[in-house]
Amino acid sequence: GENVEQHPSTLSVQEGDSAVIKCTYSDSASNYFPWYKQELGKRPQLIIDIRSNVGEKKDQRIAVTLNKTAKHFSLHITETQPEDSAVYFCAASSRGAAGNKLTFGGGTRVLVKP
Amino acid sequence: GAVVSQHPSWVICKSGTSVKIECRSLDFQATTMFWYRQFPKQSLMLMATSNEGSKATYEQGVEKDKFLINHASLTLSTLTVTSAHPEDSSFYICSARAATNGETQYFGPGTRLLVL
Repeated sequence: GENVEQHPSTLSVQEGDSAVIKCTYSDSASNYFPWYKQELGKRPQLIIDIRSNVGEKKDQRIAVTLNKTAKHFSLHITETQPEDSAVYFCAASSRGAAGNKLTFGGGTRVLVKP
Repeated sequence: GAVVSQHPSWVICKSGTSVKIECRSLDFQATTMFWYRQFPKQSLMLMATSNEGSKATYEQGVEKDKFLINHASLTLSTLTVTSAHPEDSSFYICSARAATNGETQYFGPGTRLLVL
């Protein structure tokens, strides 16, 4: 089955700096890669996603890049703000017995220091 | 749009009792719902996939007789933890995927279960 690795596990940045989180996946048939932000005790919130037919997608301060050949994708947050502090999860969609399902990376705890 | 609710938000129960958790899609029809478990400071682990009107498909290592899933309508799925034990204490989160929106999963707020 699909395996998703995420790095780093923790990331501390100064307010205004950029943060980059990287993920690799194993199933070359995966074609959908969402990123979720989860604050403590709350639900994961979709912040951006990318499909395998594009290499990059941007939404204001957030961007995601995808390299299908190398099977890795990355999240870039620019001009970080304290409210960006949270745990971020990458995921990859793969075919399961009951249809497509998401496999999540281990998460990255981001701390933005004011 | 795409709001998913979960009830209850937290529950404390005695060992050996059963607990039912409801997951509802409030403004869309969810042909597929997913149940995840998340232990403290860990990732989301898929327990099972539930397609409306069908039996749930469980991930390897998840006991189907312990975690009963019912998805009787396009807006409601339930997870029942039977004969709960302290090791079942966790954060249980559901997500729903609309028939018309391909891949995107929208998550419920989660249910924190503590088994004493």
